[in-house]
Amino acid sequence: EVQLVESGGGLVQPGGSLRLSCAASGFTFSWYDMHWVRQATGKGLEWVSAIASAGDSYYPGSVKGRFIISRENAKDSLYLQMNSLRAGDTAVYYCARARTGRIGFDIWGHGTMVTVSS
Amino acid sequence: EIVLTQSPATLSLSPGERATLSCRASQSVSSYLAWYQQKPGQAPRLLIYDASNRATGIPARFSGSGSGTDFTLTISSLEPEDSAIYYCQQRSNWPPKYTFGQGTKLEIK
Repeated sequence: EVQLVESGGGLVQPGGSLRLSCAASGFTFSWYDMHWVRQATGKGLEWVSAIASAGDSYYPGSVKGRFIISRENAKDSLYLQMNSLRAGDTAVYYCARARTGRIGFDIWGHGTMVTVSS
Repeated sequence: EIVLTQSPATLSLSPGERATLSCRASQSVSSYLAWYQQKPGQAPRLLIYDASNRATGIPARFSGSGSGTDFTLTISSLEPEDSAIYYCQQRSNWPPKYTFGQGTKLEIK
């Protein structure tokens, strides 16, 4: 079964750091671009970061310089290092898969909750 | 940054009716547009990729059309389980950046 499972969410103080993980199974992880998308409670979807199958990474302005996406193909794993966290980063974080050159994230994890609060 | 505007914000229709959801981009996105369905407590589900291609396992009643700045998701004959929020998404060409529309809430009476 093709699956993505996120972990690592939790409560963190403003200014703190957190590392999210996403474990992939059921497909050849190294072939795909991978993304993180977040959703604050009751709000819409916000793209957070992308890493291409070749390893290049991309970010929106809202997280650039604070978040770092990485992948470890040997472990079929995706990561998101989040630094200098703010209250506005509070959300459910999803990892998602995309085929290179295609617009559309075809597989999503169940999400992990990140709460930034003192 | 390319902004996607979805309309209407809410749509209330009966089973068997046709639903037409709109997504307008602030500048051309070519065919780099996708549609998602999200039900409460669930992750989004890809419906349409590259503007008009149905994703694997998506029923034929879902179809996408458009290019440039104006896109449409059509659900030809509504089922009760189609009640959800629908989002469109675009990718800018270079560097690749992605934005989502604010969503359309579809209610089935």
